[in-house]
Amino acid sequence: AQKITQTQPGMFVQEKEAVTLDCTYDTSDPSYGLFWYKQPSSGEMIFLIYQGSYDQQNATEGRYSLNFQKARKSANLVISASQLGDSAMYFCAIGQGAQKLVFGQGTRLTINP
Amino acid sequence: DSGVTQTPKHLITATGQRVTLRCSPRSGDLSVYWYQQSLDQGLQFLIQYYNGEERAKGNILERFSAQQFPDLHSELNLSSLELGDSALYFCASSVGIQTVLTGELFFGEGSRLTVL
Repeated sequence: AQKITQTQPGMFVQEKEAVTLDCTYDTSDPSYGLFWYKQPSSGEMIFLIYQGSYDQQNATEGRYSLNFQKARKSANLVISASQLGDSAMYFCAIGQGAQKLVFGQGTRLTINP
Repeated sequence: DSGVTQTPKHLITATGQRVTLRCSPRSGDLSVYWYQQSLDQGLQFLIQYYNGEERAKGNILERFSAQQFPDLHSELNLSSLELGDSALYFCASSVGIQTVLTGELFFGEGSRLTVL
């Protein structure tokens, strides 16, 4: 079975600093995808970034990058130059075969001015 | 804006009642997924439809049912509601089936259900 572990329940970061949100996963399938979503206090789930298990390069989307370490089963999200609007819950998720996503428990990120 | 539309955004009802949540996928998307986010269970996959047919099933209770119509919109029906059904219900959509291998999965804003 697939599993996602996000070990940081909460993080506090100063504005403009870079932040790394940890995510480790467990799967026995060689084909899988890793997703990161942002959930602000308003509740919507906003897609941030995706990494396929066979992708050679780490994914990047603007200020977001995914530090994919396949051997360590790690898929950390890096946010560069954090902004106040980055304050939210962040979820890591894995998907394979059965088409469902399995989500971690999330990390609450707070950006301080 | 993800392009996935969910209605209603908020819903308050009583135990024992039945509600219907509606989802319109992004234009061109054939797959619709339903997820439940509750405080104790986190985010859980409920069910997936592709072009009108059920394709995958997760932890969906027997009191819950869903369908996808010919115009591709989907409805999630929740009946005999209990206090524990209070949650945020998300719909997501994608073009095809192999979404987890392409990354094209976008969520709506959710329907917040409160059962009193």
